[in-house]
Amino acid sequence: NAGVMQNPRHLVRRRGQEARLRCSPMKGHSHVYWYRQLPEEGLKFMVYLQKENIIDESGMPKERFSAEFPKEGPSILRIQQVVRGDSAAYFCASSPGSSRNTIYFGEGSWLTVV
Amino acid sequence: AQSVTQLDSQVPVFEEAPVELRCNYSSSVSVYLFWYVQYPNQGLQLLLKYLSGSTLVKGINGFEAEFNKSQTSFHLRKPSVHISDTAEYFCAVSEPLDGQNFVFGPGTRLSVLP
Repeated sequence: NAGVMQNPRHLVRRRGQEARLRCSPMKGHSHVYWYRQLPEEGLKFMVYLQKENIIDESGMPKERFSAEFPKEGPSILRIQQVVRGDSAAYFCASSPGSSRNTIYFGEGSWLTVV
Repeated sequence: AQSVTQLDSQVPVFEEAPVELRCNYSSSVSVYLFWYVQYPNQGLQLLLKYLSGSTLVKGINGFEAEFNKSQTSFHLRKPSVHISDTAEYFCAVSEPLDGQNFVFGPGTRLSVLP
């Protein structure tokens, strides 16, 4: 997982605030994935993005959640009006554009909503 | 649609004993298969992967897995475990022509006891 950078590692938000999680993919990777891991649960796919394009957001909650991967800069996962149920670890992964058969994970961002 | 089953949520084993972590998948097409390991409060690291070729795949830290197409399984094995192998292990599947969507199993918590 070396090279996929996520920040912040830990984030505390009060209910109703916004949370922004950032992910810089490995060098040379143009595909980014976001997963959510709830306590004592497995990984759930949220969204898959390429630069400036959302490819698959079938795992994203319909409201309050959004993701982007701009031409310049990191991918951002944004959660508006957070609730306690949003408390989880959010993992970003990346893969090369030309060969998508392996994805590499970052260290994760742990969101706690109080 | 793909799905991944890891029948054992927890596997306790004594140090230096062998271990097998089970993984079964369902897919109507050929697949890529992966095992990832997650140490506490860290991201997922790739242990090994099967893309094609030999059905016995060797990974890092002495782990290996065998792809069995007829049984749709990809069990992970290690002949002698160490305390440091205590972690969560995730099996994942993706389809070559749909490589953007990696589906993860619920995970197996391996606890190595002294």
